[in-house]
Amino acid sequence: NAGVTQTPKFQVLKTGQSMTLQCAQDMNHEYMSWYRQDPGMGLRLIHYSVGAGITDQGEVPNGYNVSRSTTEDFPLRLLSAAPSQTSVYFCASSYEALSGNTIYFGEGSWLTVV
Amino acid sequence: SQQGEEDPQALSIQEGENATMNCSYKTSINNLQWYRQNSGRGLVHLILIRSNEREKHSGRLRVTLDTSKKSSSLLITASRAADTASYFCAGRQDSNYQLIWGAGTKLIIKP
Repeated sequence: NAGVTQTPKFQVLKTGQSMTLQCAQDMNHEYMSWYRQDPGMGLRLIHYSVGAGITDQGEVPNGYNVSRSTTEDFPLRLLSAAPSQTSVYFCASSYEALSGNTIYFGEGSWLTVV
Repeated sequence: SQQGEEDPQALSIQEGENATMNCSYKTSINNLQWYRQNSGRGLVHLILIRSNEREKHSGRLRVTLDTSKKSSSLLITASRAADTASYFCAGRQDSNYQLIWGAGTKLIIKP
């Protein structure tokens, strides 16, 4: 049982490039989400999904796309990277959305856009 | 944007002392969780307290929730060097799926 696995761990992009951050969970969780973490700002929700085929925007969705074709996978795509997207990205999952289920986090992806 | 407020932003204490962190919200929440993040790692769940609970214990952790004041506190007793980390509160809003995260308290335990 690997939990939440996200790749890559580190990535440097040039402005305008696109890339995909991969996220997979093996706990059969319905709810998955992507956050970005910036110094002094806690976690901000980018996109989330309450089940396969269903995605929705969080607090800071601009510049990012997601899809949820399977329960296990929830990739985050940066369409045209900008320096403002330099951040640490975390994928997270939980059994379902509404109750107090524990949220499991990946180890993070450090992204630098130059 | 909706965000929880945590204080202090940073706390440095001697090993063996108690550490208290506070979290407050502007909106109503139906449960609140605390997470720990070691440097360079993901967040790890510590404890959940529901809106019908006033206090909860787990090992050296004690969490309180005051729904009328929309605030929570996390107490770590008899701190250890391994407790050095950032601590985040996350409250689940009554109305939707989303969690509101605090900006975190960075705790340093001096040996």
